[in-house]
Amino acid sequence: KQEVTQIPAALSVPEGENLVLNCSFTDSAIYNLQWFRQDPGKGLTSLLLIQSSQREQTSGRLNASLDKSSGRSTLYIAASQPGDSATYLCAVQWNSGNTPLVFGKGTRLSVIA
Amino acid sequence: GAVVSQHPSWVICKSGTSVKIECRSLDFQATTMFWYRQFPKQSLMLMATSNEGSKATYEQGVEKDKFLINHASLTLSTLTVTSAHPEDSSFYICSARDLRLNTGELFFGEGSRLTVL
Repeated sequence: KQEVTQIPAALSVPEGENLVLNCSFTDSAIYNLQWFRQDPGKGLTSLLLIQSSQREQTSGRLNASLDKSSGRSTLYIAASQPGDSATYLCAVQWNSGNTPLVFGKGTRLSVIA
Repeated sequence: GAVVSQHPSWVICKSGTSVKIECRSLDFQATTMFWYRQFPKQSLMLMATSNEGSKATYEQGVEKDKFLINHASLTLSTLTVTSAHPEDSSFYICSARDLRLNTGELFFGEGSRLTVL
C-alpha cells in the first residue's frame, strides 16, 4: 500500500531557529512530491513541488529535498518566524498523468516569539 | 499558479438535509477534479475523482449515492452530500491541475466546512 508518513506530528521551536520537517513514503517509484501549508480552518497553499528527477527545490527560506531511493523528503525552513506557524503537509503523486495526491498526516509547527 | 475556488466556505445544516458544494477552476479548464475530505486533526483523504462528462470514480468506502458528484462543465464540479448526518461533518476540499502548466502541480480550493446538527 502506498503511504506517506510525516514525523514529527508536532514541533515547537523558538523564533529564528532553522528546522527540518520529515516525510517518508513507502514506494520509491514516485512521479512527484508536493509540500503544502495549511493554516487552521483554511485550505492548502502549495509551497514546493519536486519532480521525481529532481533532488531539491528552493523558494525563499524554504528548501525541499528528495531522496527517492530512501523514500524520503525533507522541508527545511530557515530562520523561522511566528508567521510560519501552521501545519505542513507532504503529498505524493505516484502515477503519471492527472492522478491524485496521497497525503501524510502533517506536522503542526509552532514558532514561538 | 492556477486558481481553484470553492463555495460555500462553511455551511451548517440540519440532519437529513442535502448540501451542495461547488468547485470552480477560475482561469483554466479542468476535465478532472479531485474531492478530498479532512476530519479534525486528520489528513486529507481522497473521496472521489470527478470527470467532466462522465461518472465520478469513488474511493473504497465512499458511498456514491450519498456523495453525489456532478462535473457538468470544464470549470465546475459539484459535490452534494445527501441526507447529511452529524458524522458527515467535515472539511471538504477540491483540487485540480492546469494541464497547460505541465508541472503536475495540484491546486486546491479554500475548502468547505460542513457542520451537520
